Amino acid sequence: EADIYQTPRYLVIGTGKKITLECSQTMGHDKMYWYQQDPGMELHLIHYSYGVNSTEKGDLSSESTVSRIRTEHFPLTLESARPSHTSQYLCASSDRGVGELFFGEGSRLTVL
Amino acid sequence: AQSVSQHNHHVILSEAASLELGCNYSYGGTVNLFWYVQYPGQHLQLLLKYFSGDPLVKGIKGFEAEFIKSKFSFNLRKPSVQWSDTAEYFCAVNPISSGSARQLTFGSGTQLTVLP
Repeated sequence: EADIYQTPRYLVIGTGKKITLECSQTMGHDKMYWYQQDPGMELHLIHYSYGVNSTEKGDLSSESTVSRIRTEHFPLTLESARPSHTSQYLCASSDRGVGELFFGEGSRLTVL
Repeated sequence: AQSVSQHNHHVILSEAASLELGCNYSYGGTVNLFWYVQYPGQHLQLLLKYFSGDPLVKGIKGFEAEFIKSKFSFNLRKPSVQWSDTAEYFCAVNPISSGSARQLTFGSGTQLTVLP
């Protein structure tokens, strides 16, 4: 069973607020990822990291930022949330090839 | 950019029926292929994968998938579904470029509902 945790699971906030979605894994994986998913749509990669102090933007442009100060922790931050940021955010990690991912349960964000 | 197509958005079957979910991708080079599953209320998890070798791969819970390179397809099959197979299924492709794996591209998913 994968040990990757996301908090909060659900978040409803007002426009303009700063939010941080937490993601932690206890497996010691070097690779971590953030995906964005809207209902009935593909998962889109928005950020990834191959190790501490290494972060890259994914295929989908996002106004969010990430940091990787510790191996086990990969938080995602939105400085000023807008309704267009309403979505589900999935965190994943891997210690193998790029495609073999362990996912968290997701954080569903609603911005009013 | 590569894309992954899952043409069936919602499939409804009765228990014991056979299942085939379609997956086609657009990348012309070498690929790694995956099927992920998300059961209700649970996280996404790997169902099966193809890297090389036998194009027919077997995964957990009796699922299998066949890679047909000429058709750019990686369809998921199960001979006899159970109510517990109700879930959303995602196909994913990992293009290999210059010997390195690039990031995963996911399809939009197929919701499978199995009626008891």
